[in-house]
Amino acid sequence: NAGVTQTPKFRVLKTGQSMTLLCAQDMNHEYMYWYRQDPGMGLRLIHYSVGEGTTAKGEVPDGYNVSRLKKQNFLLGLESAAPSQTSVYFCAIHPGGSRNTIYFGEGSWLTVV
Amino acid sequence: GIQVEQSPPDLILQEGANSTLRCNFSDSVNNLQWFHQNPWGQLINLFYIPSGTKQNGRLSATTVATERYSLLYISSSQTTDSGVYFCAVLMKTSYDKVIFGPGTSLSVIP
Repeated sequence: NAGVTQTPKFRVLKTGQSMTLLCAQDMNHEYMYWYRQDPGMGLRLIHYSVGEGTTAKGEVPDGYNVSRLKKQNFLLGLESAAPSQTSVYFCAIHPGGSRNTIYFGEGSWLTVV
Repeated sequence: GIQVEQSPPDLILQEGANSTLRCNFSDSVNNLQWFHQNPWGQLINLFYIPSGTKQNGRLSATTVATERYSLLYISSSQTTDSGVYFCAVLMKTSYDKVIFGPGTSLSVIP
């Protein structure tokens, strides 16, 4: 997981609180993604970005916002956390183009009580 | 929409046994990767394999792009192979989205 750092790694929030997850990369990749993984399930795409200043919605975008003001950072925000957002969040990066490897961060465990 | 399916959903093996995991996808792909998620949640790249066959130790993978499936072979399984195996694809028709299959949960028992 070298090159992709997620902060924080663990967080407990109360319902209605807000927070931001940071994904930082040092590989100069264009594409960045935020996924969530619920217990016993696969990864679902929340939002993604294909370059600095761009964002797009994935499969499950509701309740989240994102920003990519700098190429190396992709922020995931929860404006008003809900218990349904309790999950593990993974950031991934990809250099763009069709024939390149995807890299993941180590995950951020979020609990909303 | 784009569909990525994996089978079997769950697998229990005796240590030393061999297994085959399958990933089916509904459209042509530019990129296909296999990942192993260990019991601590870490996602580990196994293979980048949009077509053809690759081997890495006891693991090998084959993708038949024209028939839209990929196989992951695990030989002489070990307890450290336990975890969830995911395939992830980058479709030609949606080149910027990486879509994951639901995973195969593997338990290797001594």
